[in-house]
This record gives sequence, C-alpha cells and structure tokens, in this order.
Amino acid sequence: GENVEQHPSTLSVQEGDSAVIKCTYSDSASNYFPWYKQELGKGPQLIIDIRSNVGEKKDQRIAVTLNKTAKHFSLHITETQPEDSAVYFCAAGGNNRLAFGKGNQVVVIP
Amino acid sequence: GAGVSQSPSNKVTEKGKDVELRCDPISGHTALYWYRQSLGQGLEFLIYFQGNSAPDKSGLPSDRFSAERTGGSVSTLTIQRTQQEDSAVYLCASSLPGSYTGELFFGEGSRLTVL
Repeated sequence: GENVEQHPSTLSVQEGDSAVIKCTYSDSASNYFPWYKQELGKGPQLIIDIRSNVGEKKDQRIAVTLNKTAKHFSLHITETQPEDSAVYFCAAGGNNRLAFGKGNQVVVIP
Repeated sequence: GAGVSQSPSNKVTEKGKDVELRCDPISGHTALYWYRQSLGQGLEFLIYFQGNSAPDKSGLPSDRFSAERTGGSVSTLTIQRTQQEDSAVYLCASSLPGSYTGELFFGEGSRLTVL
C-alpha cells in the first residue's frame, strides 16, 4: 500500500518568513495529493490539493509543488502569520485508500 | 447541521469495557470514513463506507473494532473490550460520492481514553 513520509516533524519560523514542508510517497499510481491543516482541538481541514496532471498550484500565500518522477511534493507557505501555526498533514491516494503522513507541527514565532 | 458531528467529544472508560462512537456526516455525503489519530502519529485509516456498505474495512486493527452505517447517514464505531492502546482521537470524515480524490470534511473527533 501507499506509504507517505513527512519532513521535518517540527518547524519553527519567524513571522513573515516562508515555511516549506516536504512529503514523499511510495505508490507511483497515486494521483491525488491534498494538504490538510489541523488546529488544536479541531479536525483537519483541506487547504490545498494537487492532481498528478499539474506540477504546481497556488492559492494566495499557499502553494504546492509536485514531482512525480521523484515521488515527492511540498507545501510552501509565504509571509507566515501566527494563525498559520498548526499541524499540517500531507496525503497521497487515488482510486485506493488515501494515506496520510504523520504530520508537521509548524510554529510561527511572532 | 453544517458540518460533520461526532459524539461524544470525550470518553474515558475502563479497560475491558465496550464503547460506541457516533458520527453524523454532512447531509448528502454518501461517503464516510473513520480515522484514528494517536499521539505523534498521523491519521490511520480504519474503514470507508459508501452508502451503508463498507467496501474497505481493511484498516480495522482487530476484531474488537466494528462499524456500521444505517440509512446512508449516521455511523457508529464500536470498540469491544477496550485496551489502553485504543486510546486515541477517532476522527470521522465525509465526502461527496466518489473516490478518494475529493475533499474530506472532518469532524472534531472523539477523544477516547482507556484507563
């Protein structure tokens, strides 16, 4: 089955700087790659996703890049703000089960 | 309701007892998923429902775990003879009909503590 790895497990950034989280996946058949944000005491919420037919997608301060050859994808957050502090999960899947990574704790230091 | 509703939000039980966790998905969402989130771990898939049937229940960790869904809506996850390693947050999600390539809407979870 699909195996998703996330790095780093914890990331601290100064407010205004950029944050990058990387994920790798194992199943070359995966074609859907979402990112979820989980705030304390809440359920995860989709913030951006990308499908295998594109290499990059942007939504305001958030972008995701995908390298299918290397089987990795990354989340980029620019101009970080305190409200970006949360746990971020990447996932990979397709017609089979959607597999999640273990999550990254992002801390934005004011 | 507007979102996925789960109950109870917190449950403390003694080892060996049975527990039931409930999920009320978004109206019109025929797909429903249960995930388990343990401390420091990711989201562990448990079971997927499409309507009332469960085409994928391979994530259930043991035969002490079972789930059902009735009327294509509410789902109940039952854990029998609970063990301490069952302590986790159990998350339910629902989505529009289809595959795993659409947005999952998660509830806030049920935190289970087994003493």
